[in-house]
Amino acid sequence: QSALTQPRSVSGSPGQSVTISCTGTSSDVGGYNYVSWYQQHPGKAPKLMIYDVSKRPSGVPDRFSGSKSGNTASLTISGLQAEDEADYYCCSKAGTYKVFGEGTKLTVL
Amino acid sequence: VQLVESGGGLVQPGGSLRLSCAASGFTFRSSWMSWVRQAPGKGLEWVAHIKPDGSDKYYVDSVRGRFTISRDNAETSLYLQMNSLRAEDTAVYYCTTEDWYRSDSWGQGTLVTVSS
Repeated sequence: QSALTQPRSVSGSPGQSVTISCTGTSSDVGGYNYVSWYQQHPGKAPKLMIYDVSKRPSGVPDRFSGSKSGNTASLTISGLQAEDEADYYCCSKAGTYKVFGEGTKLTVL
Repeated sequence: VQLVESGGGLVQPGGSLRLSCAASGFTFRSSWMSWVRQAPGKGLEWVAHIKPDGSDKYYVDSVRGRFTISRDNAETSLYLQMNSLRAEDTAVYYCTTEDWYRSDSWGQGTLVTVSS
């Protein structure tokens, strides 16, 4: 039950695209298509942004997209906006458990 | 969907605490539910989840044997009984709905502080 590996921080300018990686193993990310991504603003509860690797809940802008290759999942945010500045966490099924990533702080320059 | 946690507070190491989560706005009895925690300044950690009928429960290794997740479908409430608390259990505890290993909806969280 080790945390999935994410970069500690990423940054981009408004209008640009950024990609956040999430690396696990064949026992979690690589073994299932149950990867989800969460956005968390300071002092707030997390919000589901992507599920089942690449699906968006209703209300989430299509600027947010997800993908997976092998043991690594990715979240891409295109057309960066100031309000995208937040912490982002990936999460994966791991057998009968769940495991989160370490978290990535996105800074919009 | 509304999830409202309660029961957090300050407790001494070795002590116990019971968290509650009052759920409304969805079919609670048909939903998997989970607890996720976040230590101050740290990342999210899945703690436990429970099947809709309460028959199956799963825990992260660090709390297994000390924490018990339960539910009352008649009261549409989720619980987390925490025993033998340690300093490293200090965190905000979130109640979430769960569907195929994704947490769709989250409560506002309740803070548990374990300190002497």
